[in-house]
Amino acid sequence: GENVEQHPSTLSVQEGDSAVIKCTYSDSASNYFPWYKQELGKRPQLIIDIRSNVGEKKDQRIAVTLNKTAKHFSLHITETQPEDSAVYFCAASIRRGSTLGRLYFGRGTQLTVWP
Amino acid sequence: GAGVSQSPSNKVTEKGKDVELRCDPISGHTALYWYRQRLGQGLEFLIYFQGNSAPDKSGLPSDRFSAERTGESVSTLTIQRTQQEDSAVYLCASRGLDPFRGTEAFFGQGTRLTVV
Repeated sequence: GENVEQHPSTLSVQEGDSAVIKCTYSDSASNYFPWYKQELGKRPQLIIDIRSNVGEKKDQRIAVTLNKTAKHFSLHITETQPEDSAVYFCAASIRRGSTLGRLYFGRGTQLTVWP
Repeated sequence: GAGVSQSPSNKVTEKGKDVELRCDPISGHTALYWYRQRLGQGLEFLIYFQGNSAPDKSGLPSDRFSAERTGESVSTLTIQRTQQEDSAVYLCASRGLDPFRGTEAFFGQGTRLTVV
């Protein structure tokens, strides 16, 4: 099955700096890569996702890049703010037509943004 | 409903008792997942249902754990003879094909299980 590795496990940055979280996956058939943010005591929520037919996707301060050849994808947060502090999870999945595959999650990255 | 709903929100049970956790997915979502999250830890996969296909039970930690889903509706996760190491938050998520939201998975608020 798929194996998703996520690094680093913890990341501390100063407010206004950028943060980058990296994930690798093992199954070349994976074609959907979401990122989830989980604030303390809350449920994970999707912040951005990318499909394998796209190399990069951006939404305001958040961007995701995908390298299919190397089987890795990254989350980039620019101009970090204290409210970005949370645990971030990457995931990989295979979608075939109407069949939505299992979601394989990385172990998570605790991001702390210091004011 | 508007989102994924889980019940109960909190459950305290005595060691050795059975518990049943419920998940109401978003209507029309064909895929449903159960995860376990211990305090400060990641999302541990338990089981995945997709439509009428046989579920992927490969994440269930022991035969004390079982789950059912009727069609594309409610799912229940049952833990028999609970142990203290079963204490965790149990999260359910559902996914469907949405022309606007794509295939985003939505999580419920979780059930916090405490075994005493």
